[in-house]
Amino acid sequence: QIVLTQSPAIMSASLGERVTMTCTASSSVSSSYLHWYQQKPGSSPKLWIYSTSNLASGVPARFSGSGSGTSYSLTISSMEAEDAATYYCHLYHRSPPMTFGGGTKLEIK
Amino acid sequence: QVTLKESGPGILQPSQTLSLTCSFSGFSLSTSGMGVGWIRQPSGKGLEWLAHIWWDDDKRYNPALKSRLTISKDTSSNQVFLKIASVDTADTATYYCARMPYDYYAMDYWGQGTSVTVSS
Repeated sequence: QIVLTQSPAIMSASLGERVTMTCTASSSVSSSYLHWYQQKPGSSPKLWIYSTSNLASGVPARFSGSGSGTSYSLTISSMEAEDAATYYCHLYHRSPPMTFGGGTKLEIK
Repeated sequence: QVTLKESGPGILQPSQTLSLTCSFSGFSLSTSGMGVGWIRQPSGKGLEWLAHIWWDDDKRYNPALKSRLTISKDTSSNQVFLKIASVDTADTATYYCARMPYDYYAMDYWGQGTSVTVSS
């Protein structure tokens, strides 16, 4: 069973700051099936980045995703207030089919 | 326009069976490659995948909960169902359903969630 570990669990960033968070898999996974979701308090998660590096519809271009093998990351080039949220990585794998990371809570400093 | 909406009992007692319904529109589960899954989130905690059902009736379960879960669908009424047997307080959570097409296996549309409390 593959485990996804997100780090840090909580982070804070100033407006305009570059932000990077990571998702590490316990074994090598297909980048095609590694995705990121954004969730704000009281709301459902939203697909944010799919297949490692593809922005979902409506996601600002300041977001990017990268990675391969066991190491994946989500980067915000310049932090904005609306980016404060919790971000989850998600993997589709053969067995068990799906798992989520524990999440990274991004706050404004 | 794709929409999903969950419904459930709100509150139930330990040892009872939790029955959840996901009603959706804007797509069909008879379409090749389409799937719908259930995910839950205890208050203040992370996401936990529970189960998934595909257009061809293939069903997949979280191994940790498999013995208690049953997922099913009614394609004609655009609904997916999840039953969780023998609930206890640890099953208290917000339950979401989400659409997952076969191409990238990403959950591209989510419902608003339904809150379930297990309490005696």
